[in-house]
Amino acid sequence: KQEVTQIPAALSVPEGENLVLNCSFTDSAIYNLQWFRQDPGKGLTSLLLIQSSQREQTSGRLNASLDKSSGRSTLYIAASQPGDSATYLCAVPIRTGANNLFFGTGTRLTVIP
Amino acid sequence: ETGVTQSPTHLIKTRGQQVTLRCSSQSGHNTVSWYQQALGQGPQFIFQYYREEENGRGNFPPRFSGLQFPNYSSELNVNALELDDSALYLCASSPQGANYGYTFGSGTRLTVV
Repeated sequence: KQEVTQIPAALSVPEGENLVLNCSFTDSAIYNLQWFRQDPGKGLTSLLLIQSSQREQTSGRLNASLDKSSGRSTLYIAASQPGDSATYLCAVPIRTGANNLFFGTGTRLTVIP
Repeated sequence: ETGVTQSPTHLIKTRGQQVTLRCSSQSGHNTVSWYQQALGQGPQFIFQYYREEENGRGNFPPRFSGLQFPNYSSELNVNALELDDSALYLCASSPQGANYGYTFGSGTRLTVV
């Protein structure tokens, strides 16, 4: 059974700092890995999708890497801003059945002005 | 291109009642999944529909049921509501298969009293 772990559970940084969020998964037979952002009480906004054949994906100040063999992904946020404050979730679809997503419990990020 | 829309946004029900939540998938997406997210947790997979058929189910009892319509919109029905059913219910859609990633709606906050 796939298990997804995110470390740290919470992170507080001053504005302008670069930061890294970590995600690990136990079953490396994945199609891809998706990073989401969730504001309090809201739905999920997709940030980046990395296919299993890719090593990294970039969008603006965000860069996500994937090391499938070691079961790890990182989300790098450059020059953090207060508007980046949210919970960040990583998710992987399993390769059987409905290909449903397994989620970590997220990292709650607070960027202090 | 419209995204995934869910209705209602908030709902309060009494224990034992029944509830129906609705989801319109993103244009061009024929697969719809439902997730339950308890406070402070990652979303948990309930079930998925592809071309009006259920093609995967998580560890949820039969009182959680669903439908997908020919236009790929979907409903989630929960019978005999329990207090523990209080959660954020998220709908996600995707094109066929997991390779393209998932797009989530804003969710329905269900409170059972």
